[in-house]
Amino acid sequence: GAGVSQSPSNKVTEKGKDVELRCDPISGHTALYWYRQRLGQGLEFLIYFQGNSAPDKSGLPSDRFSAERTGESVSTLTIQRTQQEDSAVYLCASSFRGRDYGYTFGSGTRLTVV
Amino acid sequence: EDQVTQSPEALRLQEGESSSLNCSYTVSGLRGLFWYRQDPGKGPEFLFTLYSAGEEKEKERLKATLTKKESFLHITAPKPEDSATYLCAVQAHYNDYKLSFGAGTTVTVRA
Repeated sequence: GAGVSQSPSNKVTEKGKDVELRCDPISGHTALYWYRQRLGQGLEFLIYFQGNSAPDKSGLPSDRFSAERTGESVSTLTIQRTQQEDSAVYLCASSFRGRDYGYTFGSGTRLTVV
Repeated sequence: EDQVTQSPEALRLQEGESSSLNCSYTVSGLRGLFWYRQDPGKGPEFLFTLYSAGEEKEKERLKATLTKKESFLHITAPKPEDSATYLCAVQAHYNDYKLSFGAGTTVTVRA
């Protein structure tokens, strides 16, 4: 597609349930990133995938968070046993590694845990 | 740890009233400083990358400048369509893929 596609755009879930967020990057982009944006705060880095290299998971806040990506295609971010503090907008971005125009972001998934 | 602080948090301008946004940063070896624009319900949209002190870049009514400690985003004669949140981010040489973001400045331009 022309841009980074994320689904769902909105998700309301009950505390304790698992959720899965999907990101479809721009075709050909080798790098994929997940960030979290809480209200009034800066974007927090979560995880980075580059081709078939081992991902940088250093930003994942707890072991309830995990992400997968197969090759240079779709990625899923899974949050297990959701908590209210997980409520945020989850943004996915993709880029060519080493290119200097920054990332291209998707519109995000707004997650609300009730 | 890389740190980015943006000020002010919010800025209300009259159409045509020029102003500047500030982004102060600390990073171990700056590779690039990025400016993004974010509209409500959308992801950030790339505006500029600056690499070295003294560098300037322009796009329409926006001009970004960079010193060794901060960057400014100047908005000249703004229009209502310039209303958005402007985000600043830094990237370090030691970690050339991760961006560290500030909390943003929300600009509202009244007609």
